[in-house]
Amino acid sequence: GESVGLHLPTLSVQEGDNSIINCAYSNSASDYFIWYKQESGKGPQFIIDIRSNMDKRQGQRVTVLLNKTVKHLSLQIAATQPGDSAVYFCAENPDNTDKLIFGTGTRLQVFP
Amino acid sequence: EPEVTQTPSHQVTQMGQEVILRCVPISNHLYFYWYRQILGQKVEFLVSFYNNEISEKSEIFDDQFSVERPDGSNFTLKIRSTKLEDSAMYFCASTSGQGKDTQYFGPGTRLTVL
Repeated sequence: GESVGLHLPTLSVQEGDNSIINCAYSNSASDYFIWYKQESGKGPQFIIDIRSNMDKRQGQRVTVLLNKTVKHLSLQIAATQPGDSAVYFCAENPDNTDKLIFGTGTRLQVFP
Repeated sequence: EPEVTQTPSHQVTQMGQEVILRCVPISNHLYFYWYRQILGQKVEFLVSFYNNEISEKSEIFDDQFSVERPDGSNFTLKIRSTKLEDSAMYFCASTSGQGKDTQYFGPGTRLTVL
């Protein structure tokens, strides 16, 4: 039968506002986390990463927060622009492997 | 800026046929990966490859799949006898160091099995 894709949560924001995308990860042994942006028909594009010995890391217009107690990761995008519209995935890397485990993804829609 | 490249961008094949998906990782990278993404679903790990051998593979990566680094630049994924459920986007990724370095992804090959 036909497979049903996941219904992605969607975040709609107005251009210029800040966006916060959340992710719950599964493995308490994960010690490296990455946020990827995926535009339609393209591969995942690296945005920012953080290691488990940090709680916060900032890049250009983006900040990642890590809460190991509740296994939660968030991506904050400042002054969201139309070009930020995409699906955002968090990925975790358990400490005994080099594979990435991707989350479900969140669709970010930016409207003028 | 160096990029991972993949060819072809779209491959259509008949069920039971063999396909080879090609990747050129970033030139100084040593660790290579294949992932796949079924339409509308998560990106899933298939296999990692280092020093001319598989270092890890997932349950998806069964005997129908194989990987090879035939020369100093290409990294290939072969599916021996394709099934309908192999239809997906296949992404190659590479990194300079094991695990805790950023994995950079290619644009993907869309495989359609009819």
